[in-house]
Amino acid sequence: ETGVTQSPTHLIKTRGQQVTLRCSSQSGHNTVSWYQQALGQGPQFIFQYYREEENGRGNFPPRFSGLQFPNYSSELNVNALELDDSALYLCASSDSGGWQPQHFGDGTRLSIL
Amino acid sequence: KQEVTQIPAALSVPEGENLVLNCSFTDSAIYNLQWFRQDPGKGLTSLLLIQSSQREQTSGRLNASLDKSSGRSTLYIAASQPGDSATYLCAVRGNNNDMRFGAGTRLTVKP
Repeated sequence: ETGVTQSPTHLIKTRGQQVTLRCSSQSGHNTVSWYQQALGQGPQFIFQYYREEENGRGNFPPRFSGLQFPNYSSELNVNALELDDSALYLCASSDSGGWQPQHFGDGTRLSIL
Repeated sequence: KQEVTQIPAALSVPEGENLVLNCSFTDSAIYNLQWFRQDPGKGLTSLLLIQSSQREQTSGRLNASLDKSSGRSTLYIAASQPGDSATYLCAVRGNNNDMRFGAGTRLTVKP
């Protein structure tokens, strides 16, 4: 059983740029969620996709957007990067719309200069 | 707005001790509560998931309880080991699929 994989592992960008982060769900999982984790804090929910539709969103501006593909892999896109966007971005997958335990990848460390 | 608080923020115990980590939440309208551990620089590992209709879940040396009406959950770790050293996070899932995390408890188990 393949776990959740995220790419890239590390990324450095400058203010104003755009970034795309990728996530491959665990086999058999149809739900993917994205989180932002600042240093020393718990993860903050960005949004969730279930069968290619967004079905939950946290308190993040529209410049944070996402996609889920037919194979249930996912992308997180962030436009107009700001210094405060520097964080660990975590992807989690689960089955059945999130009623089952979430399984996390190791994250992408994004640094904004 | 759901707020999740974890106490204590950090805990250091000698190996072999039993310990309890606490999680409280302000809105009792939750679907489930999940406990995770996070090792430095890594993602989260799911430990236990308690649905809103359940009172507790057990896995090996871990036992998690849920009292939805009082907005509390505890994670009990029996016979702690140095390998248990990590940050432990609780998260509640609300009606809009929003997952709210606490800031975590950083546990150190000394040999």
